This record gives sequence, structure tokens and C-alpha cells, in this order.
Amino acid sequence: DAGVIQSPRHEVTEMGQEVTLRCKPISGHNSLFWYRQTMMRGLELLIYFNNNVPIDDSGMPEDRFSAKMPNASFSTLKIQPSEPRDSAVYFCASRLIQGSDTQYFGPGTRLTVL
Amino acid sequence: DAKTTQPTSMDCAEGRAANLPCNHSTISGNEYVYWYRQIHSQGPQYIIHGLKNNETNEMASLIITEDRKSSTLILPHATLRDTAVYYCIVRVEHTNAGKSTFGDGTTLTVKP
Repeated sequence: DAGVIQSPRHEVTEMGQEVTLRCKPISGHNSLFWYRQTMMRGLELLIYFNNNVPIDDSGMPEDRFSAKMPNASFSTLKIQPSEPRDSAVYFCASRLIQGSDTQYFGPGTRLTVL
Repeated sequence: DAKTTQPTSMDCAEGRAANLPCNHSTISGNEYVYWYRQIHSQGPQYIIHGLKNNETNEMASLIITEDRKSSTLILPHATLRDTAVYYCIVRVEHTNAGKSTFGDGTTLTVKP
């Protein structure tokens, strides 16, 4: 199994630009998570989906952030417009709801907003 | 989910056992203890989890006290590659509630 796949691995953009991060969960997994990690705030849960449905988005910082999961094998996290304080590593993770709560994380996308 | 308390950092000599403690005094009866680790620049990696019995797998052992208010993750023969941040999390298993709160964890440094 290829594991959780995220793209791009690195993204550098200018303030005000739209950023789209992508995630492909492990095949067969039906729960997907988006996390953000910074030195100041550590690892924060932004949103998670069960069976493609957003369950809890209380961690999404503000309206500039949006996440979608159009099907079981793909999810996006969009930031529009981006700001320098959005610079962080964004992780996607997936799990099988019916199994243990073990989450499998992707390699992350390092976002830098100039 | 119950809150956990871990030491900020620990050192361990290569080849020796690394014992990482976690305090979870407010754990509920149906909450499991999970351990993850994060090696620099990588995503967190699952290590082990348990409810009340001690658990062992190819990576580590998990010792949970009888009152379940604390646990210890044991890496029996630490290597330099085990240098990482180790997170202890408690949560209910098999629920639709997907939240796992990752605290600050313990930074383990394995020294030659």
C-alpha cells in the first residue's frame, strides 16, 4: 500500500494567492483528517470527515479555509486568500472507522506564504 | 477526551531501554491509551495502543498501571533513529468522534 499521499510536498506562494492542498487517503479507509503543525501551536486538528461527510470543522481557523471530500479517495484543503501566518506543515491522515483509532499520516505539505 | 501530561524532554543512551511516562489521571473507563511518534520533518507514526492490559508489538511495549491513571512506553533497545517527539493520547475507540488531541509530547533524544 502506498500510504496516505499528499501533494504538493512543498508550496511557496505570495500573500493573497489561493492555495490548494491535496490528499489521497489509504484505499478502503473511510475517515480523513486535516492537521496543521507550527512551532507555536503544535499539531492542531482542522477538520475531519467520516464517509466523505465533514463531521467537525471547529478547528478551521477562519472562513479563508475550506475543505472538501468529493469522493472516498480524494480531499482538498483550500486557503483563499492566503496569509503569511498560514505558513505551516499541513498533514492529512486517514483511518478505518470500524477498526481501531489508529490514524495513518501522510508526509505533509510544507506551505510558505511570503 | 482525557488530557495527558508528559515530560517535555528525555535523553537515552543508544542500546538502552527508553521509558517514556504519561499521566492521564482523568481517563475514563472506555478510553484507550495511544502512542504516536513524530520523527523530524515526517508525519506522526502510530506505535501502539492499549486499554488496561500491557501490550507489546515489534516497536515497543506499553505498560498501563492498574488504576489506568498513567502509562509508560518502553523502547527496549533505543537506536539513534528513535530520536523523535512521542505523543501520548487517550480517546474512546470505535467511535465516529475522530478528534485526537496531540499535546506537546516528549522529545526523546537518543545519544551515542
